Amino acid sequence: DGGITQSPKYLFRKEGQNVTLSCEQNLNHDAMYWYRQDPGQGLRLIYYSQIVNDFQKGDIAEGYSVSREKKESFPLTVTSAQKNPTAFYLCASSIGEAETAQYFGPGTRLTVL
Amino acid sequence: SQKIEQNSEALNIQEGKTATLTCNYTNYSPAYLQWYRQDPGRGPVFLLLIRENEKEKRKERLKVTFDTTLKQSLFHITASQPADSATYLCALAIYNQGGKLIFGQGTELSVKP
Repeated sequence: DGGITQSPKYLFRKEGQNVTLSCEQNLNHDAMYWYRQDPGQGLRLIYYSQIVNDFQKGDIAEGYSVSREKKESFPLTVTSAQKNPTAFYLCASSIGEAETAQYFGPGTRLTVL
Repeated sequence: SQKIEQNSEALNIQEGKTATLTCNYTNYSPAYLQWYRQDPGRGPVFLLLIRENEKEKRKERLKVTFDTTLKQSLFHITASQPADSATYLCALAIYNQGGKLIFGQGTELSVKP
């Protein structure tokens, strides 16, 4: 059963703590993406990776970090430097070439207490 | 500055009517445009892709147009059903940026029986 998974579905964090969101895909896709979505807003790109061991900053990378050590995995760390981390986080993957759809995971809702 | 705008107000229509959603952009030269559907609390799902040299694309009850002169895409759902109720996102892909997409904020569609 191919797809993209994110865990956990809901995450609570105390202010000042780092937290890592998981994203795994078994679609054999080269490219992976992390987005943030706030209420009533579209998706904003945090980081993306087009190949293993390489990644680029998106539009709102400050306060976040990623790694891409394996093709299947692209974890996102929300650091304490992120000023307003409460949001819905979405991971996606694609073949990576132009004209290809992105396949999204179910999302992780992060709440900072 | 570069902007992508979708109808910010929710669209309410009667079952059986055609829903038309708008996506306008400025200061971009997109290679192609995609439309996604997003249900509450879930990740977006890819619906259709249209290239800059295509005027229209159809898939079952869905139709997308792309006017690069007006810098606008229209998304139509014919014979709408309550199950079509969701938020619809448009996304632009720019030349030479691989699979990277820029998303609009989405339009919420509500189809009443």
